[in-house]
Amino acid sequence: DAGVTQSPTHLIKTRGQQVTLRCSPISGHKSVSWYQQVLGQGPQFIFQYYEKEERGRGNFPDRFSARQFPNYSSELNVNALLLGDSALYLCASSLFGADTQYFGPGTRLTVL
Amino acid sequence: DAKTTQPPSMDCAEGRAANLPCNHSTISGNEYVYWYRQIHSQGPQYIIHGLKNNETNEMASLIITEDRKSSTLILPHATLRDTAVYYCIVRAQGDTGTASKLTFGTGTRLQVTL
Repeated sequence: DAGVTQSPTHLIKTRGQQVTLRCSPISGHKSVSWYQQVLGQGPQFIFQYYEKEERGRGNFPDRFSARQFPNYSSELNVNALLLGDSALYLCASSLFGADTQYFGPGTRLTVL
Repeated sequence: DAKTTQPPSMDCAEGRAANLPCNHSTISGNEYVYWYRQIHSQGPQYIIHGLKNNETNEMASLIITEDRKSSTLILPHATLRDTAVYYCIVRAQGDTGTASKLTFGTGTRLQVTL
Protein backbone atom coordinates (compact mmCIF):
# COMPACT_ATOMS: atom_id res chain seq x y z
CA ASP A 1 0.00 0.00 0.00
CA ALA A 2 1.16 3.52 -0.72
CA GLY A 3 2.25 5.61 2.20
CA VAL A 4 1.62 9.28 2.82
CA THR A 5 2.58 11.38 -0.18
CA GLN A 6 3.42 15.07 -0.23
CA SER A 7 4.00 17.53 -3.02
CA PRO A 8 6.07 19.30 -4.03
CA THR A 9 9.30 17.82 -2.67
CA HIS A 10 11.16 21.11 -2.67
CA LEU A 11 10.00 24.68 -3.06
CA ILE A 12 11.76 28.03 -3.19
CA LYS A 13 9.78 31.23 -2.56
CA THR A 14 10.60 34.84 -1.77
CA ARG A 15 9.47 36.84 1.23
CA GLY A 16 5.85 38.01 1.04
CA GLN A 17 4.75 35.27 -1.35
CA GLN A 18 2.14 32.62 -0.65
CA VAL A 19 2.63 28.85 -0.79
CA THR A 20 0.35 25.79 -0.90
CA LEU A 21 1.58 22.37 0.17
CA ARG A 22 -0.34 19.18 -0.54
CA CYS A 23 -0.73 15.88 1.26
CA SER A 24 -2.44 12.60 0.38
CA PRO A 25 -3.04 10.30 3.35
CA ILE A 26 -2.75 6.54 3.49
CA SER A 27 -5.84 4.92 1.97
CA GLY A 28 -8.55 4.60 4.61
CA HIS A 29 -7.06 7.22 6.93
CA LYS A 30 -9.43 10.05 7.73
CA SER A 31 -7.15 12.32 9.77
CA VAL A 32 -4.27 14.49 8.59
CA SER A 33 -1.86 16.45 10.78
CA TRP A 34 0.69 19.06 9.71
CA TYR A 35 4.03 19.73 11.40
CA GLN A 36 6.83 22.23 10.83
CA GLN A 37 10.43 21.22 11.42
CA VAL A 38 13.04 23.93 11.51
CA LEU A 39 16.64 22.83 11.05
CA GLY A 40 18.07 21.32 14.23
CA GLN A 41 14.74 21.01 16.05
CA GLY A 42 12.02 18.40 16.39
CA PRO A 43 8.77 18.76 14.44
CA GLN A 44 6.24 21.25 15.81
CA PHE A 45 2.49 20.67 15.50
CA ILE A 46 0.57 23.07 13.26
CA PHE A 47 -2.89 21.58 12.55
CA GLN A 48 -4.92 18.41 12.81
CA TYR A 49 -7.95 17.64 10.66
CA TYR A 50 -10.40 14.78 11.01
CA GLU A 51 -13.42 14.23 8.80
CA LYS A 52 -12.77 17.57 7.09
CA GLU A 53 -12.97 19.55 10.33
CA GLU A 54 -10.13 21.25 12.19
CA ARG A 55 -9.67 19.37 15.45
CA GLY A 56 -6.49 20.97 16.74
CA ARG A 57 -4.22 23.94 16.13
CA GLY A 58 -0.72 24.64 17.34
CA ASN A 59 0.85 27.97 18.25
CA PHE A 60 1.23 29.35 14.73
CA PRO A 61 0.08 32.73 13.34
CA ASP A 62 -3.04 33.18 11.23
CA ARG A 63 -0.84 33.28 8.13
CA PHE A 64 -0.99 29.50 8.38
CA SER A 65 -4.21 27.82 7.28
CA ALA A 66 -5.25 24.39 6.09
CA ARG A 67 -8.17 22.41 4.83
CA GLN A 68 -9.15 18.82 4.25
CA PHE A 69 -11.05 17.66 1.22
CA PRO A 70 -13.82 15.02 0.90
CA ASN A 71 -11.21 12.47 -0.27
CA TYR A 72 -9.28 13.24 2.98
CA SER A 73 -6.34 14.85 1.20
CA SER A 74 -5.19 18.14 2.67
CA GLU A 75 -3.57 21.43 1.79
CA LEU A 76 -1.49 23.70 4.00
CA ASN A 77 -1.36 27.36 2.99
CA VAL A 78 1.11 29.91 4.27
CA ASN A 79 0.63 33.58 3.36
CA ALA A 80 3.06 36.51 3.54
CA LEU A 81 6.08 34.23 3.80
CA LEU A 82 8.88 35.18 6.19
CA LEU A 83 12.47 33.98 6.17
CA GLY A 84 11.67 32.08 9.37
CA ASP A 85 9.10 29.97 7.55
CA SER A 86 11.95 28.10 5.87
CA ALA A 87 11.55 24.54 7.14
CA LEU A 88 10.60 20.96 6.38
CA TYR A 89 6.80 20.69 6.38
CA LEU A 90 5.58 17.26 7.35
CA CYS A 91 2.19 15.69 6.88
CA ALA A 92 1.06 12.70 8.93
CA SER A 93 -2.05 10.59 8.48
CA SER A 94 -3.94 8.39 10.91
CA LEU A 95 -7.17 6.43 10.97
CA PHE A 96 -8.61 9.01 13.36
CA GLY A 97 -7.16 11.92 15.31
CA ALA A 98 -5.79 10.06 18.28
CA ASP A 99 -4.51 6.99 16.42
CA THR A 100 -0.91 6.26 15.41
CA GLN A 101 0.36 8.84 12.94
CA TYR A 102 2.41 7.92 9.87
CA PHE A 103 4.50 10.61 8.24
CA GLY A 104 5.18 11.52 4.66
CA PRO A 105 8.59 12.49 3.30
CA GLY A 106 7.97 16.21 3.77
CA THR A 107 8.19 19.33 1.64
CA ARG A 108 11.35 21.40 2.01
CA LEU A 109 10.40 25.11 1.79
CA THR A 110 13.12 27.71 1.37
CA VAL A 111 12.18 31.38 1.69
CA LEU A 112 14.68 33.84 0.24
CA ASP B 1 1.23 15.92 27.05
CA ALA B 2 3.86 14.77 29.50
CA LYS B 3 7.47 15.78 28.95
CA THR B 4 10.16 13.23 28.15
CA THR B 5 13.90 13.31 28.79
CA GLN B 6 16.37 11.53 26.52
CA PRO B 7 20.18 11.57 26.28
CA PRO B 8 21.27 13.82 23.40
CA SER B 9 23.47 11.21 21.78
CA MET B 10 24.55 7.57 21.93
CA ASP B 11 26.92 5.32 20.03
CA CYS B 12 26.46 1.66 19.22
CA ALA B 13 28.62 -0.87 17.38
CA GLU B 14 27.04 -2.55 14.39
CA GLY B 15 25.54 -5.92 15.29
CA ARG B 16 25.16 -5.06 18.94
CA ALA B 17 21.92 -4.17 20.71
CA ALA B 18 21.12 -0.48 20.98
CA ASN B 19 19.29 0.44 24.19
CA LEU B 20 17.78 3.92 24.12
CA PRO B 21 16.41 5.20 27.44
CA CYS B 22 13.60 7.66 28.03
CA ASN B 23 12.32 9.21 31.23
CA HIS B 24 8.66 10.27 31.47
CA SER B 25 8.10 10.65 35.21
CA THR B 26 4.90 12.73 34.84
CA ILE B 27 3.10 10.33 32.49
CA SER B 28 -0.64 10.01 33.06
CA GLY B 29 -2.58 6.77 33.24
CA ASN B 30 -4.12 7.18 29.77
CA GLU B 31 -0.90 8.19 28.01
CA TYR B 32 0.97 5.86 25.72
CA VAL B 33 4.71 5.86 25.05
CA TYR B 34 5.51 6.25 21.34
CA TRP B 35 8.85 5.95 19.58
CA TYR B 36 9.67 7.47 16.21
CA ARG B 37 12.96 7.85 14.41
CA GLN B 38 14.09 10.30 11.77
CA ILE B 39 16.85 9.61 9.35
CA HIS B 40 18.47 12.78 8.02
CA SER B 41 16.01 15.03 6.16
CA GLN B 42 13.33 12.31 5.91
CA GLY B 43 9.92 12.18 7.58
CA PRO B 44 9.76 10.57 11.04
CA GLN B 45 9.21 6.81 10.95
CA TYR B 46 6.90 5.15 13.46
CA ILE B 47 8.66 2.39 15.39
CA ILE B 48 6.50 1.12 18.24
CA HIS B 49 4.21 2.19 21.06
CA GLY B 50 2.91 0.79 24.33
CA LEU B 51 0.84 1.57 27.40
CA LYS B 52 2.24 -0.56 30.24
CA ASN B 53 3.14 -3.97 28.87
CA ASN B 54 6.34 -4.66 26.99
CA GLU B 55 5.88 -4.66 23.23
CA THR B 56 7.83 -6.18 20.36
CA ASN B 57 7.52 -5.88 16.61
CA GLU B 58 9.76 -6.53 13.63
CA MET B 59 11.72 -3.35 14.23
CA ALA B 60 12.24 -3.13 17.97
CA SER B 61 11.20 -3.96 21.52
CA LEU B 62 9.79 -1.50 24.03
CA ILE B 63 10.34 -2.11 27.72
CA ILE B 64 8.24 0.03 30.09
CA THR B 65 9.00 0.00 33.82
CA GLU B 66 6.28 -1.11 36.19
CA ASP B 67 5.75 2.43 37.52
CA ARG B 68 5.67 3.66 33.87
CA LYS B 69 8.06 6.49 34.67
CA SER B 70 10.66 5.34 32.17
CA SER B 71 11.08 3.12 29.14
CA THR B 72 13.78 1.67 26.91
CA LEU B 73 13.68 1.13 23.17
CA ILE B 74 15.79 -1.85 22.12
CA LEU B 75 17.11 -2.38 18.61
CA PRO B 76 18.36 -5.96 18.93
CA HIS B 77 21.00 -5.97 16.19
CA ALA B 78 21.83 -2.42 15.14
CA THR B 79 22.97 -1.74 11.58
CA LEU B 80 24.42 1.35 9.96
CA ARG B 81 20.95 2.10 8.56
CA ASP B 82 19.67 2.53 12.14
CA THR B 83 21.73 5.72 12.49
CA ALA B 84 19.05 8.36 13.14
CA VAL B 85 17.47 10.66 15.72
CA TYR B 86 15.12 8.69 17.96
CA TYR B 87 12.18 10.46 19.58
CA CYS B 88 10.33 9.23 22.67
CA ILE B 89 6.85 10.80 22.95
CA VAL B 90 4.06 10.34 25.46
CA ARG B 91 0.60 10.89 24.11
CA ALA B 92 -2.99 10.32 25.18
CA GLN B 93 -4.87 7.96 22.90
CA GLY B 94 -8.47 9.04 23.02
CA ASP B 95 -11.54 8.02 21.08
CA THR B 96 -12.37 8.52 17.43
CA GLY B 97 -13.25 12.20 17.63
CA THR B 98 -10.38 13.23 19.87
CA ALA B 99 -7.59 15.36 18.49
CA SER B 100 -4.14 14.34 19.64
CA LYS B 101 -0.87 15.91 18.55
CA LEU B 102 2.64 14.51 18.83
CA THR B 103 4.96 16.70 20.91
CA PHE B 104 8.53 16.10 19.81
CA GLY B 105 11.53 16.92 22.00
CA THR B 106 15.11 16.96 20.77
CA GLY B 107 15.48 13.16 20.78
CA THR B 108 18.58 10.97 20.95
CA ARG B 109 21.00 10.95 18.06
CA LEU B 110 22.10 7.31 17.67
CA GLN B 111 25.30 6.73 15.73
CA VAL B 112 25.92 3.13 14.69
CA THR B 113 29.56 2.45 13.82
CA LEU B 114 31.50 -0.40 12.26
